[in-house]
Amino acid sequence: GQQLNQSPQSMFIQEGEDVSMNCTSSSIFNTWLWYKQDPGEGPVLLIALYKAGELTSNGRLTAQFGITRKDSFLNISASIPSDVGIYFCAGRSNFGNEKLTFGTGTRLTIIP
Amino acid sequence: GAGVSQSPSNKVTEKGKDVELRCDPISGHTALYWYRQSLGQGLEFLIYFQGNSAPDKSGLPSDRFSAERTGGSVSTLTIQRTQQEDSAVYLCASSRPVSNGGASGFWTDTQYFGPGTRLTVL
Repeated sequence: GQQLNQSPQSMFIQEGEDVSMNCTSSSIFNTWLWYKQDPGEGPVLLIALYKAGELTSNGRLTAQFGITRKDSFLNISASIPSDVGIYFCAGRSNFGNEKLTFGTGTRLTIIP
Repeated sequence: GAGVSQSPSNKVTEKGKDVELRCDPISGHTALYWYRQSLGQGLEFLIYFQGNSAPDKSGLPSDRFSAERTGGSVSTLTIQRTQQEDSAVYLCASSRPVSNGGASGFWTDTQYFGPGTRLTVL
């Protein structure tokens, strides 16, 4: 099935560094979501974006819904060990069409 | 319970056998979704149930896959005559419907995911 293009695929950073990842799509989405998945767990919603151009923060996380509706980015500031995991973007295309299209994931590793 | 639960957590089966995977959504959530996650990949939509409406089956990869939701709560995903390429983690999510304010329709709220069932077909 269709998946969003997410980059980078993996990141190796030191604790305290800022992180940035993004998703792009050839299709327009009306909602962009960012999830984090820990090993053996299901994804957990971090941030939801509902309007083009919207910039939303959740603690050290900041995400933006691109003006073209075809992209979104997620920033994590001052990374800490518990930020380790896989981050997925997801898009929802139509009102009433509830299924999510997921990105391929960004695996974040923090180097001691 | 507080969250979405799935059983079994792990399932190993032989090629050609049928398997049933169960999902218990959060109480009161009218929407239920099944996704599949292959190793190192993102989630792939399979099927979506919303209340009494006909399910959206557009993501089911073949007619060997089916799902039902009894009484608007528990759901079972069935895979018949399993193949090795069916090996994956099968994730269930549920959500509740909310008004979206300005638009003409509504869309469901945050999807809460269960821990998944890891299926291995030998």
